[in-house]
Amino acid sequence: DTAVSQTPKYLVTQMGNDKSIKCEQNLGHDTMYWYKQDSKKFLKIMFSYNNKELIINETVPNRFSPKSPDKAHLNLHINSLELGDSAVYFCASSSDWADTQYFGPGTRLTVL
Amino acid sequence: DAKTTQPPSMDCAEGRAANLPCNHSTISGNEYVYWYRQIHSQGPQYIIHGLKNNETNEMASLIITEDRKSSTLILPHATLRDTAVYYCIVLNDYKLSFGAGTTVTVRA
Repeated sequence: DTAVSQTPKYLVTQMGNDKSIKCEQNLGHDTMYWYKQDSKKFLKIMFSYNNKELIINETVPNRFSPKSPDKAHLNLHINSLELGDSAVYFCASSSDWADTQYFGPGTRLTVL
Repeated sequence: DAKTTQPPSMDCAEGRAANLPCNHSTISGNEYVYWYRQIHSQGPQYIIHGLKNNETNEMASLIITEDRKSSTLILPHATLRDTAVYYCIVLNDYKLSFGAGTTVTVRA
């Protein structure tokens, strides 16, 4: 059983397109996160939701919009994709705000 | 934010213990130290965390100095599958801030 899953695993698209990445966790956790890992391999948090409410929103372009339809899902929608959006995006979840985070396998986004 | 400092890389012989140091001299009294690792192309994997006391689990041991300004992650018997980037992180404002980590290469 996969604890934190993401789809798709790979996503190749053209500049200007709109795309979504889905994340699901079956751990019963209340908090979910999105991280971005760029070509320099630094992992940076983008968003965090707790019980479907946004609690962390780092300095991210408003082309990125997270959506949490329920506690088990946190999707990331990206509008007007740019070359600089190419990266690996990781979803994570934790039982509560300050608890251990468990990561998904990542989605490699390539913008051409 | 409490920052951490780790050596960029280290080698370890298979079967031997790997000791990974981390400095976090600006850590606050209620901030936890977390260790994660990232094996190539995979999501970060939780290893262990601690506040003041030393901790041990099935993967590793965490030794935190009494002043909490540094810690050491110990992999007791390194295997080739332990080759990864290891991140020492201080949990601050409920956020994990990943640095560059230590690239550990386990050699046969």
